Amino acid sequence: AQSVAQPEDQVNVAEGNPLTVKCTYSVSGNPYLFWYVQYPNRGLQFLLKYITGDNLVKGSYGFEAEFNKSQTSFHLKKPSALVSDSALYFCAVRVPIPYSGAGSYQLTFGKGTKLSVIP
Amino acid sequence: GAGVSQSPRYKVAKRGQDVALRCDPISGHVSLFWYQQALGQGPEFLTYFQNEAQLDKSGLPSDRFFAERPEGSVSTLKIQRTQQEDSAVYLCASSLVLDSSTDTQYFGPGTRLTVL
Repeated sequence: AQSVAQPEDQVNVAEGNPLTVKCTYSVSGNPYLFWYVQYPNRGLQFLLKYITGDNLVKGSYGFEAEFNKSQTSFHLKKPSALVSDSALYFCAVRVPIPYSGAGSYQLTFGKGTKLSVIP
Repeated sequence: GAGVSQSPRYKVAKRGQDVALRCDPISGHVSLFWYQQALGQGPEFLTYFQNEAQLDKSGLPSDRFFAERPEGSVSTLKIQRTQQEDSAVYLCASSLVLDSSTDTQYFGPGTRLTVL
């Protein structure tokens, strides 16, 4: 089964310090990986995705993620954290929807990691 | 441009009541998805539409859940005889392309359903 795991329920980081939110994956075939952020009482906002190509993916709001095939990881990073980055972060993997035709996919999410940036 | 919108944003229902949750996808988006997010968990897939066709409903937790998208645009998720375990945030997402390996799902703000 295709899945992702986020090993940390919570990450605390001081403002201005680099941050990392971890994600590991288990897929058969080529992985298609995503990061979303969720602010309180709001839906998921797309940050970035890895499909193929360069292992370092740049996304919105200064975030980037590094795809590492040997470690089956896709960690989210930012060089300098802002207080406004405090939110819930979800890693997801694209999973084919059976019997629904080519190009039909759903997302399977991790449990989420709460990021708190301390002023 | 306008994103995915959902209504109502909050819904409180008494156990046994029927509810209907609406999703307006981004204009022109072919694919539409419903997810259920329980408290403290990641979203879980419920069902999927391509235009008006419901191609997968394997994630619907019971036959009390029903979804439709009759004209290939707006979608409604209906829950009959609500139970307390139905309490969750229901997220709708849409994506543009019918058949692409690189497409992105864009999410609405969700409807928080509380069943008393």
